[in-house]
Amino acid sequence: KAGVTQTPRYLIKTRGQQVTLSCSPISGHRSVSWYQQTPGQGLQFLFEYFSETQRNKGNFPGRFSGRQFSNSRSEMNVSTLELGDSALYLCASSLVVGNGGYTFGSGTRLTVV
Amino acid sequence: KNEVEQSPQNLTAQEGEFITINCSYSVGISALHWLQQHPGGGIVSLFMLSSGKKKHGRLIATINIQEKHSSLHITASHPRDSAVYICAAIQDNDMRFGAGTRLTVKP
Repeated sequence: KAGVTQTPRYLIKTRGQQVTLSCSPISGHRSVSWYQQTPGQGLQFLFEYFSETQRNKGNFPGRFSGRQFSNSRSEMNVSTLELGDSALYLCASSLVVGNGGYTFGSGTRLTVV
Repeated sequence: KNEVEQSPQNLTAQEGEFITINCSYSVGISALHWLQQHPGGGIVSLFMLSSGKKKHGRLIATINIQEKHSSLHITASHPRDSAVYICAAIQDNDMRFGAGTRLTVKP
């Protein structure tokens, strides 16, 4: 079966712009979680969605937001981009919230210039 | 102090050696996750465990809830095991990550 699909794979944006990243979970998975990975901070949890509702949120500013659609696909939006937002953004899907069995996508590498 | 500490940070081994990577956490958790990240960035979920031990092929993960410690073992290591191994503590549906252990297995 198809894995977790993230688009785009690579993205270059300038400071101040906004960006939207997409994540399509494995068919049947209803939970989608997002993570940011940077060389300095490592992996950090952004938020998790289940049945179109945000269930958990990490410690990120309000510029980072997300949503989940009825087909479980999720989008993540970052507004007013800063240089420090340059990172690999990963999403993972699972059947339910917090129950493990996470399958990760390949990530979107965002570069802010 | 990081809530999730991994050791060692870097590990180089010869093919065939037995590998141990350690993860200690300071918070109460519901489960602990071991992840493998290859140089291209892709992450694979290896184990999720809340007690005892799990085994998959040459990989074994153990956890001691009382001591707040988990270990990942690789038997008969192989160059294709070279990757970054990351543990993540799951607490109230939040996930806190260790900094990772970079493993290099030489032929």
